[in-house]
Formats: sequence, structure tokens, C-alpha cells
Amino acid sequence: DTAVSQTPKYLVTQMGNDKSIKCEQNLGHDTMYWYKQDSKKFLKIMFSYNNKELIINETVPNRFSPKSPDKAHLNLHINSLELGDSAVYFCASSQGTSGSQETQYFGPGTRLLVL
Amino acid sequence: AQSVTQPDIHITVSEGASLELRCNYSYGATPYLFWYVQSPGQGLQLLLKYFSGDTLVQGIKGFEAEFKRSQSSFNLRKPSVHWSDAAEYFCAVGVISFQKLVFGTGTRLLVSP
Repeated sequence: DTAVSQTPKYLVTQMGNDKSIKCEQNLGHDTMYWYKQDSKKFLKIMFSYNNKELIINETVPNRFSPKSPDKAHLNLHINSLELGDSAVYFCASSQGTSGSQETQYFGPGTRLLVL
Repeated sequence: AQSVTQPDIHITVSEGASLELRCNYSYGATPYLFWYVQSPGQGLQLLLKYFSGDTLVQGIKGFEAEFKRSQSSFNLRKPSVHWSDAAEYFCAVGVISFQKLVFGTGTRLLVSP
């Protein structure tokens, strides 16, 4: 039974399109995150949500908009996709509110390729 | 600013040999430190973490790490590497004021027969 799941696993699209990535966790955790991993494997946080409330919003273009319909789901919508958005996007969750101290559980990643 | 340096981009180790992956951090307070492993095509999995107390921490899959405050280091070790350990390893520091993790750039471990 998958703890943190993401869909789709692969996403190939054209520049300028709008796309969404979905994330669900069945761990009962309160906090969820989105990370971006670039082609050099560098992993950087984009957003975190705690009980549907935005906690962290790093310097991310406003074309990226997270949405949390409930605490088990955190979706990422990307408008007007650009070539530089090509990356692997990871969703993660942690039990409490301390993203700096708690174990984070990662999903398998969504590989986005913008052509 | 908080940062994590993993000086080795990739390391090759023979199966059965010992392993040490280096991690240095820059953080103004007592650090919360983590090692995560990423197998090919997979998400990250926690190996171990250090918060306080004993500076030698044990993790899963036979890994351990030692926190050395004087050297700002948190190196990961394993006495005998298995082929299944081939993966990308990430060190991270927890930034309390921002409730987030800052990751290093990773070290890719290759295991030769």
C-alpha cells in the first residue's frame, strides 16, 4: 500500500501548456511538500502545506500554484510551461509541522519533460 | 546562509569494501542532520538522522553516521557495501527558522563486482 503516491509518473508536454501533478498520502500526516530535482540531481523545496495552509513558498515563479483540497492531497498546477521546468518533481509528507526536524516520506517522483 | 556540501560527486567502491561518504554543513545553530538515499527511478528514503545526544547514529541497511561539531561534518559509513547499495545519497540539514530541509548536491555511489 503506497504511502505517498504521485500521478502521473511521466509527463511530456509542449511549451506553453498547462499541466497538473497530483499527490496523495495515506499516512495521516499533517504536512506535505513539493520539491524540484533538476538535471544535476539538486533537490530544492518549492512549497509546504500544513493542514491545507501554505507554510513555505520558496522563490518559485507564480506560474506554479499548489492546491490542497484536504490534508491528504497536495496538487501542483503549472501554467505556461517553459523548457526550464523540465525536472523531476517530488511530493513528500511529514507527520507534524516541523519540516526541519521530522522524517519526510517521499513519493516516487513525476518526470516532467517540456519540449 | 545554511548550506550542505557533499564534495564527492560520485564514488566507486568494490562490493564488500567499506564506504565513507562525506558531508559538511554550514549552520549557525545546533543542526538537525539527515541522510537520505535515492535508488534509480525512486523517491528518497531516510537512512538516519541526528538531533542530539550520541554523535554516532545508526540507521537502516547497516549504515551509520558520525556527527563532528568541530569539523561541521556528518559523514556516512558502512563497513561492507552490497551491490544493492548503488544509489544517490543526499545529506540534508534542517533549517528550523524556515521549517525546511536544505539538501546537498548528492553523491552517486557505484558498486563494482
